[in-house]
Amino acid sequence: DVKVTQSSRYLVKRTGEKVFLECVQDMDHENMFWYRQDPGLGLRLIYFSYDVKMKEKGDIPEGYSVSREKKERFSLILESASTNQTSMYLCASSLISLVTGNTIYFGEGSWLTVV
Amino acid sequence: GENVEQHPSTLSVQEGDSAVIKCTYSDSASNYFPWYKQELGKRPQLIIDIRSNVGEKKDQRIAVTLNKTAKHFSLHITETQPEDSAVYFCAVSLSGNTGKLIFGQGTTLQVKP
Repeated sequence: DVKVTQSSRYLVKRTGEKVFLECVQDMDHENMFWYRQDPGLGLRLIYFSYDVKMKEKGDIPEGYSVSREKKERFSLILESASTNQTSMYLCASSLISLVTGNTIYFGEGSWLTVV
Repeated sequence: GENVEQHPSTLSVQEGDSAVIKCTYSDSASNYFPWYKQELGKRPQLIIDIRSNVGEKKDQRIAVTLNKTAKHFSLHITETQPEDSAVYFCAVSLSGNTGKLIFGQGTTLQVKP
């Protein structure tokens, strides 16, 4: 079974704090993603990484940065947390395969509240 | 860029009835269309997917149909059960096989016993 693990399920941070959300996958997947989930808005892509040290902006990268120093680990960083970043954050990974397609496997999610 | 619209946003059905959720997309080069189910408090999980060279795919009570000309695809759930209650997301892969998926806004399905 593919396992995508997010280190923190629930966090409460203060406005202006630097926040790190960590994600690890154990399937040697090339691709890793960070999505943000908000009611009525679905899953919006923040950042995407297709290889170590490689990253690409998604649809809503403002206020976020990412780090991928090792293939299995992808971190989301909020440099200065703001209340509008209160949300559920989902990490995901995938293997590009012509056979299985672009199936994405998600972590359990991290609920972040910024006060 | 790719735009995915999903309807309806909420759907309530009686147990045993059918449920249909529809998504439209904008990029005619998209070639992979998965559906994810997210139960309350859990991660989204793939339930069925379809590729652009196929018009319909079934797996027990769920099916997905794809109309490439009209650029829309639908999820059909027959004989709904209370455990089908969840949020369902459609997704579309971007052309170029980058591995990225763009998701719809989600549909909250409630199956009343």
